Amino acid sequence: GAVVSQHPSWVICKSGTSVKIECRSLDFQATTMFWYRQFPKQSLMLMATSNEGSKATYEQGVEKDKFLINHASLTLSTLTVTSAHPEDSSFYICSALGGGQGFRTDTQYFGPGTRLTVL
Amino acid sequence: GENVEQHPSTLSVQEGDSAVIKCTYSDSASNYFPWYKQELGKRPQLIIDIRSNVGEKKDQRIAVTLNKTAKHFSLHITETQPEDSAVYFCAATRAAGNKLTFGGGTRVLVKP
Repeated sequence: GAVVSQHPSWVICKSGTSVKIECRSLDFQATTMFWYRQFPKQSLMLMATSNEGSKATYEQGVEKDKFLINHASLTLSTLTVTSAHPEDSSFYICSALGGGQGFRTDTQYFGPGTRLTVL
Repeated sequence: GENVEQHPSTLSVQEGDSAVIKCTYSDSASNYFPWYKQELGKRPQLIIDIRSNVGEKKDQRIAVTLNKTAKHFSLHITETQPEDSAVYFCAATRAAGNKLTFGGGTRVLVKP
């Protein structure tokens, strides 16, 4: 239960291109999802909070025009890295707040992550 | 904003020994403290959490203690096993369900 998936699991792209990452809650509805990035051997840094049907709330220092977040349904949030550059290479992980249906509503359930490499 | 510091960054223990990881936080209004375990290349998974109205919580070999006055909380793993080897993250937030601030992580290696 409380399964969160991400797609793709890894992606390699050229500098200047855009990449979209999907985060889905498979067996529950999630009004709130979070997006993190994690550099090798480092902690998870929150990028933004995504709420279904409204604009995402970005953390200080995160460029909202570069990291576009859309949460159009209760089971899907997307992160688009626009005009990607090598320094955007990282592990991007989403999490979803449990949406009842037997899952804790106060717990973040994490996706498996997406490894982005920008050449 | 909240700041969470975690120590040690690496911890090597012999199988069967105990492991202790400590975290301190800065926001006195924080009242929910989860711990996550992340195996290499995998997603973080919640292993235990504690709220500020409780000083200690235990789940089999894992326990967490909280000292609100000193603003620190600790994870205790007893009778460690090789499968306990992973990176452990502490986190803090003002309310469960709100955004989390994570500590820097502790890489635990349990030697057989």
